[in-house]
Amino acid sequence: GAVVSQHPSWVICKSGTSVKIECRSLDFQATTMFWYRQFPKQSLMLMATSNEGSKATYEQGVEKDKFLINHASLTLSTLTVTSAHPEDSSFYICSARDWGGRTGYTFGSGTRLTVV
Amino acid sequence: DAKTTQPPSMDCAEGRAANLPCNHSTISGNEYVYWYRQIHSQGPQYIIHGLKNNETNEMASLIITEDRKSSTLILPHATLRDTAVYYCIVRVAAEYGNKLVFGAGTILRVKS
Repeated sequence: GAVVSQHPSWVICKSGTSVKIECRSLDFQATTMFWYRQFPKQSLMLMATSNEGSKATYEQGVEKDKFLINHASLTLSTLTVTSAHPEDSSFYICSARDWGGRTGYTFGSGTRLTVV
Repeated sequence: DAKTTQPPSMDCAEGRAANLPCNHSTISGNEYVYWYRQIHSQGPQYIIHGLKNNETNEMASLIITEDRKSSTLILPHATLRDTAVYYCIVRVAAEYGNKLVFGAGTILRVKS
């Protein structure tokens, strides 16, 4: 079945630095990918929709300049958290749309970001 | 905003069927219902989805009411490994493609 790989699985960074998270579709091409964040004991919140070759569409309230999304190829989307602060600490999860697959939406295993 | 409401938590005895309800009274005619589950600190796992007909696969059954305003996910023989947060999701149409907007989910605890 469709597999989405997310890297790294966890990262610790210092305040003020930037962190890049990668999301790859391993056995299918994903024209559309999605980025979510999840705080402890809460549900997933959609941050943005990433379309290959075009600008990402951000949900209301999500800062575009803070969370940079690049979807340069049909198998890779990246999320860069710029100038990270402790309040950006969260679980970030990507999802890819597998048009030919049975489920349609496959999720990565998530990235735990801790900003110290 | 999420278009679904679910009970916050449910308990189920191991080996029994787990029936998880979901209300989606504002669902539109072409919007699908998806079910995913999430085990702690992992990405959501697909379970099943449907539009109006009942669906069954190797994991579960999905029963959608005729008016499509609610549905029930059935895990026929729950095991301890089925303990997870279960999300009922209505796939929402958006300018750049359909998207899954998660609600609060139901914490299912399977007990021996």
